[in-house]
Amino acid sequence: AQSVTQLGSHVSVSEGALVLLRCNYSSSVPPYLFWYVQYPNQGLQLLLKYTTGATLVKGINGFEAEFKKSETSFHLTKPSAHMSDAAEYFCAVSGYNQGGKLIFGQGTELSVKP
Amino acid sequence: DAGVTQSPTHLIKTRGQQVTLRCSPISGHKSVSWYQQVLGQGPQFIFQYYEKEERGRGNFPDRFSARQFPNYSSELNVNALLLGDSALYLCASSKTQVAGNTIYFGEGSWLTVV
Repeated sequence: AQSVTQLGSHVSVSEGALVLLRCNYSSSVPPYLFWYVQYPNQGLQLLLKYTTGATLVKGINGFEAEFKKSETSFHLTKPSAHMSDAAEYFCAVSGYNQGGKLIFGQGTELSVKP
Repeated sequence: DAGVTQSPTHLIKTRGQQVTLRCSPISGHKSVSWYQQVLGQGPQFIFQYYEKEERGRGNFPDRFSARQFPNYSSELNVNALLLGDSALYLCASSKTQVAGNTIYFGEGSWLTVV
């Protein structure tokens, strides 16, 4: 079985500051990991994903995440926050034998202060 | 190319009624999944269909059903609506059912049950 825990339901940063959104997962099989962003009243947009290979994954809009198996973590970072980054962020996990089924965390709302 | 399209975008139903939500996947995608997102929570997996067959089911009551058509579009049906069914229903598509495939989400259908 898989599960995802996102630490912090709300994170606030200043424009230009580092963004760090935390995600820990639990999986009985090798995991595939995803970060999605959701803007108000919209669907989910994929930021990045880890399947196999390089553990540092680069995504869209300057975001990146590092898969750390020993820590069962997949934290999302961005060096410099922009006002347009304000949104809800979801971490999700899928087992290699789980097909298209994604297990999502509760989400982290990112606020960016001017 | 068009993304995942869903209809209707918003609807209001009365308790006990039935609702049908529709989804057209990205052209060339054969797998469709449905998720329920209650306000303030992460999406919850309901169903996955691939090549018109159900390939996965989440922990939802039998009031929820779905099907996939030969053109890979899909419908989600919910019978005997309850107030707790009020949520954003997201459709997602991917090329295959293989884990790790990029999964693309539609804008969702907002269902309000009164």
